[in-house]
Amino acid sequence: GAVVSQHPSWVICKSGTSVKIECRSLDFQATTMFWYRQFPKQSLMLMATSNEGSKATYEQGVEKDKFLINHASLTLSTLTMTSAHPEDSSFYICSARVTRGSEPQHFGDGTRLSIL
Amino acid sequence: GQNIDQPTEMTATEGAIVQINCTYQTSGFNGLFWYQQHAGEAPTFLSYNVLDGLEEKGRFSSFLSRSKGYSYLLLKELQMKDSASYLCAVTDSNYQLIWGAGTKLIIKP
Repeated sequence: GAVVSQHPSWVICKSGTSVKIECRSLDFQATTMFWYRQFPKQSLMLMATSNEGSKATYEQGVEKDKFLINHASLTLSTLTMTSAHPEDSSFYICSARVTRGSEPQHFGDGTRLSIL
Repeated sequence: GQNIDQPTEMTATEGAIVQINCTYQTSGFNGLFWYQQHAGEAPTFLSYNVLDGLEEKGRFSSFLSRSKGYSYLLLKELQMKDSASYLCAVTDSNYQLIWGAGTKLIIKP
């Protein structure tokens, strides 16, 4: 149980393109979903936390206008990167959690993004 | 501030035992998680501790001492596939998950 599906797994596109990543909880309802970014050989960095039906909470330094997060249902959150640039190339990972506290976060397989 | 410390890298031999330590200072405590992350992949959940003591799951065990702000992950009968990064993460009083930087474990034959 507790499977999170993330799509697409790999994106290569030109600078200035808009990129959309989907994160779905397949067999549970996720009240909270998280978006992370991880540069090579570095730690996971939380970008934003989204709760179903409300606005996402962004971490310091993350541009809300550039990384649009929508959590319209209990099983789907989307991250849309407007006008991606080469410095945005990274590994983006979503996770989902049923409730807070003792529930672990279950991770999607990640999206490897390369902006040319 | 909130802080989680774990060694950057450790090396161990196939078949041996290794202990990865994690110390934390957070505003409140609502549980500690260990995750495994292979290179180029997303993390996978290993264990959760909220009470003091040892939790055993097959070859992996996790220990917690809340009074010392300390946990360890113990891996027995090491296999080459255990080569990965091991992430310690603590849930604080606001149920925010604070991540450690991870310990890269290298297993040698």
